[in-house]
Amino acid sequence: KQEVTQIPAALSVPEGENLVLNCSFTDSAIYNLQWFRQDPGKGLTSLLLIQSSQREQTSGRLNASLDKSSGRSTLYIAASQPGDSATYLCAVGGGADGLTFGKGTHLIIQP
Amino acid sequence: GAVVSQHPSRVICKSGTSVKIECRSLDFQATTMFWYRQFPKQSLMLMATSNEGSKATYEQGVEKDKFLINHASLTLSTLTVTSAHPEDSSFYICSVPGQGLTGELFFGEGSRLTVL
Repeated sequence: KQEVTQIPAALSVPEGENLVLNCSFTDSAIYNLQWFRQDPGKGLTSLLLIQSSQREQTSGRLNASLDKSSGRSTLYIAASQPGDSATYLCAVGGGADGLTFGKGTHLIIQP
Repeated sequence: GAVVSQHPSRVICKSGTSVKIECRSLDFQATTMFWYRQFPKQSLMLMATSNEGSKATYEQGVEKDKFLINHASLTLSTLTVTSAHPEDSSFYICSVPGQGLTGELFFGEGSRLTVL
């Protein structure tokens, strides 16, 4: 059974800092890996999707990497802003099998 | 624009009543849809896979008779929480696979159920 772990569970940093969120998974046989953002009481916003054959994806200030063999992914956020405050979820699987989610990293960016 | 529409976004009901949540795929047909549940400060847990024209596939520990899933058309799946109890209070969210080869999943906005 696939298990997804996200570290740290919570993070609070001053505005402007670059930060890294970590995700690890136990079964490397994945179709893809997705990073999501979830604001309190809201649904999911897809940030980045990395297919199993890819190593990284970038969108604006966000960069996600994937090392499938070691079962790891990182989400890098550059020049953090208060608006980045949210819970960030890592999920693996995709396609017809759905996704397995980690518990998320609760991020607070201090103004 | 939204790819997946979920309704209602919030519902409050009395214990013992049934509640139906709809999930619509707006941009494309979906033979499969996924239903997730999220308890406070927990991650999303897959409840069941909804299959158009056939029975849903439930994850271990999810009661089939309590969480009725109907996928009658290629754009609509419904989740009915029957005889709801306070412990069923949760955030329910549906997901639809995209049509591309990336395997990307698109999520609805979720439905917050509160059972009094």
